[in-house]
Amino acid sequence: SAVISQKPSRDICQRGTSLTIQCQVDSQVTMMFWYRQQPGQSLTLIATANQGSEATYESGFVIDKFPISRPNLTFSTLTVSNMSPEDSSIYLCSVDTGDSNQPQHFGDGTRLSIL
Amino acid sequence: AQKITQTQPGMFVQEKEAVTLDCTYDTSDPSYGLFWYKQPSSGEMIFLIYQGSYDQQNATEGRYSLNFQKARKSANLVISASQLGDSAMYFCAMRASTGNQFYFGTGTSLTVIP
Repeated sequence: SAVISQKPSRDICQRGTSLTIQCQVDSQVTMMFWYRQQPGQSLTLIATANQGSEATYESGFVIDKFPISRPNLTFSTLTVSNMSPEDSSIYLCSVDTGDSNQPQHFGDGTRLSIL
Repeated sequence: AQKITQTQPGMFVQEKEAVTLDCTYDTSDPSYGLFWYKQPSSGEMIFLIYQGSYDQQNATEGRYSLNFQKARKSANLVISASQLGDSAMYFCAMRASTGNQFYFGTGTSLTVIP
């Protein structure tokens, strides 16, 4: 399976600031996703990162708050903008081949705390 | 719509014993995949095992096996010979063949007692 490098692994940020999380894959992948996992909760899909075009956001998530880039088939970034304590979560990127019998594989996650 | 239900928020098991983590699902799609992931306290999501809806045999991967009962729409994870390193959150997930989105359950926290 693909090796996924996500960074930073953790950060502590001040409210009102923004942080960009990077996700690098060691091979070209069809699909990349970004998830949020709030403390003690399950994973919630933020958006699908589309190569060369705007990301597809799920209900409740907007581009102004979570801008996403995907310049090529191996790299994507998620920015968490104008952060508040409610944004304290683990953010995970995942990759997918598009085959329904294959799992999504995840990066190690970014544990973000907002003061 | 797809839905995954994990009714056990927390489970305890004695080291070297077997444990079953429950997962039920709901979907109208005839073809789908079921997945289990492990999330240690460090936060990464580790894929454990996959079961396809048309698979006749229950999936097995080392100490992990999946008790798949299609008529009951359940896909329980069985961990045999539990080890201290098995202490983690476990998530059941599903994907229908008609889409790419994964649907995750709420997770079960497993604690292995020495």
